[in-house]
Amino acid sequence: QLQLQESGPGLVKPSETLSLTCTVSGGSISSSSYYWGWIRQPPGKGLEWIGSIYYSGSTYYNPSLKSRVTISVDTSKNQFSLKLSSVTAADTAVYYCARLIVVGARHAFDIWGQGTMVTVSS
Amino acid sequence: DIQMTQSPSSLSASVGDRVTITCQASQDISNYLNWYQQKPGKAPKLLIYDASNLETGVPSRFSGSGSGTDFTFTISSLQPEDIATYYCQQYDNLPSMYTFGQGTKLEIK
Repeated sequence: QLQLQESGPGLVKPSETLSLTCTVSGGSISSSSYYWGWIRQPPGKGLEWIGSIYYSGSTYYNPSLKSRVTISVDTSKNQFSLKLSSVTAADTAVYYCARLIVVGARHAFDIWGQGTMVTVSS
Repeated sequence: DIQMTQSPSSLSASVGDRVTITCQASQDISNYLNWYQQKPGKAPKLLIYDASNLETGVPSRFSGSGSGTDFTFTISSLQPEDIATYYCQQYDNLPSMYTFGQGTKLEIK
């Protein structure tokens, strides 16, 4: 059974870079039908897609965050990572990693990690 | 960018009631629309994909319909375990991106 687990610091200082890793277990990150993504949710608010990556390294990002986001993949470790630079309090959120199934025109986040809370504060 | 308008933002219903949530896209998105359930403190769970297809293992009381700009999510008979926030999500390919609706918080009356 495929599982995803986020890891990384729970507290980041303003202007610094937020770094998180998602470890995929129970399956390969190199499966051809799947992309992998990051989604975040500020406290008490809705969901915001951050960006997605294919195992080949191909990426696409939310235009509103694109200038600050880098997503990378390490197939040898079955992991993908998120870096968000120049963070402010507005970046405080629960960050989820998720599997994105892409079959034809179907794009759906079908398996999610449990999420990790990241607070931006000095 | 395609905007998604989900309504209502909150809903109170009784056990056994039929519950309906709508999601409207600012332009035609064909059937590129998914529905998720999020219980408090938990990650979202995919319920419906491609507007009307039930994800494996999801109870049949959940259903979705619609295409183009107007979509509906229905719980045919509300159960206590259905208390959650529900989100629609669309896929746009120009540019490639994903947008979630604002969410509907469902409570038991």
